[in-house]
Amino acid sequence: SQTIHQWPATLVQPVGSPLSLECTVEGTSNPNLYWYRQAAGRGLQLLFYSVGIGQISSEVPQNLSASRPQDRQFILSSKKLLLSDSGFYLCAWSVAGYNEQFFGPGTRLTVL
Amino acid sequence: AQSVTQLGSHVSVSEGALVLLRCNYSSSVPPYLFWYVQYPNQGLQLLLKYTSAATLVKGINGFEAEFKKSETSFHLTKPSAHMSDAAEYFCAVSAYSGGGADGLTFGKGTHLIIQP
Repeated sequence: SQTIHQWPATLVQPVGSPLSLECTVEGTSNPNLYWYRQAAGRGLQLLFYSVGIGQISSEVPQNLSASRPQDRQFILSSKKLLLSDSGFYLCAWSVAGYNEQFFGPGTRLTVL
Repeated sequence: AQSVTQLGSHVSVSEGALVLLRCNYSSSVPPYLFWYVQYPNQGLQLLLKYTSAATLVKGINGFEAEFKKSETSFHLTKPSAHMSDAAEYFCAVSAYSGGGADGLTFGKGTHLIIQP
């Protein structure tokens, strides 16, 4: 069966510090991968998606970037965090060609 | 482009009462529709999905939803609420069968509160 992992589960970082959040999927090959940010009362905002290694599409301009160095690994990064980067970050995957998405447990990021 | 509107950011019902969470969508083509549930500090879990096979869709935990094209709605219901149903519920729509940026558009969510 397929599983999706995210780490760390929680993170507290100072403004201006770098960020690296990791997401890995097991039990499937060539998945579509997604990064979402969830802020209170605002639902889920799609940040990035990837349909293959090295292929990243950004949905909104922001202080963040994403990379996919391996087929089942998706990384969310920032060089300098802003207060507004605080939130709950969710990684998701879908089978290529299908739109049902499966979510990871999330990372709670607090920028102070 | 597609969009989702969830009416009511908070819904409160008594334990044992009917649960009704409203979702209206906008899509230029026949949509695929989903309901997800999120428990505190967890990821989203798929409750059910509509993919044009049947208008009444049954999901996990006793939930079901009915697709009504004339009303562009996909409301989520459960006959009898349980304390464990307290969570955030998200409706999502897709106009395409494939993934990518057009995969899913989410509503802002409805927080379901169960009163003992």
